[in-house]
Amino acid sequence: DTGVSQDPRHKITKRGQNVTFRCDPISEHNRLYWYRQTLGQGPEFLTYFQNEAQLEKSRLLSDRFSAERPKGSFSTLEIQRTEQGDSAMYLCASSLPGYGYTFGSGTRLTVV
Amino acid sequence: AQSVTQLDSQVPVFEEAPVELRCNYSSSVSVYLFWYVQYPNQGLQLLLKYLSGSTLVKGINGFEAEFNKSQTSFHLRKPSVHISDTAEYFCAVSDQNQAGTALIFGKGTTLSVSS
Repeated sequence: DTGVSQDPRHKITKRGQNVTFRCDPISEHNRLYWYRQTLGQGPEFLTYFQNEAQLEKSRLLSDRFSAERPKGSFSTLEIQRTEQGDSAMYLCASSLPGYGYTFGSGTRLTVV
Repeated sequence: AQSVTQLDSQVPVFEEAPVELRCNYSSSVSVYLFWYVQYPNQGLQLLLKYLSGSTLVKGINGFEAEFNKSQTSFHLRKPSVHISDTAEYFCAVSDQNQAGTALIFGKGTTLSVSS
């Protein structure tokens, strides 16, 4: 069990650029979640996968955001045409049914 | 819709003193409850969880929490805190009847332990 890995840890990008983050969950976990956390706030749910199927998306996930989990293993979160309001910590978590989530260390995005 | 209210945004306390971090939730269905801790620039670590059974739940690092269904509360306690407990603490809830649905988090409580 190597935990949930997220890459990169930090990303600075110019407004308008596209960015992509990767999450590698714990291998036996079939559920994967993406959250966004801004300063002074709790994590906010973005989207959830069970295996390769994206089962739930928050209204926070605008058309500029897309997430994939092509083979039910790792997942990517892409933000197109980044805006300053996208600056946040993006957290990935994985779980098995009936258990709490295991979170990764997050990717901190700064849009300048 | 579910929601979580953490009643104190900041809790300052001296080392070796007891502490309670308060959490109330709002839900029309049966829930699972969780407490997570977050150290600076890190992800969240699970402290403890209530899924069913005993309402007193013991977690890591000497923390415990009690589920009170009538008061819809899940307060976190530790009898004697250490400097190393300084961190952000988040209470979270999920719907028991919809397996896999997202955790809903509170806004967090900053615990500051000083000597």
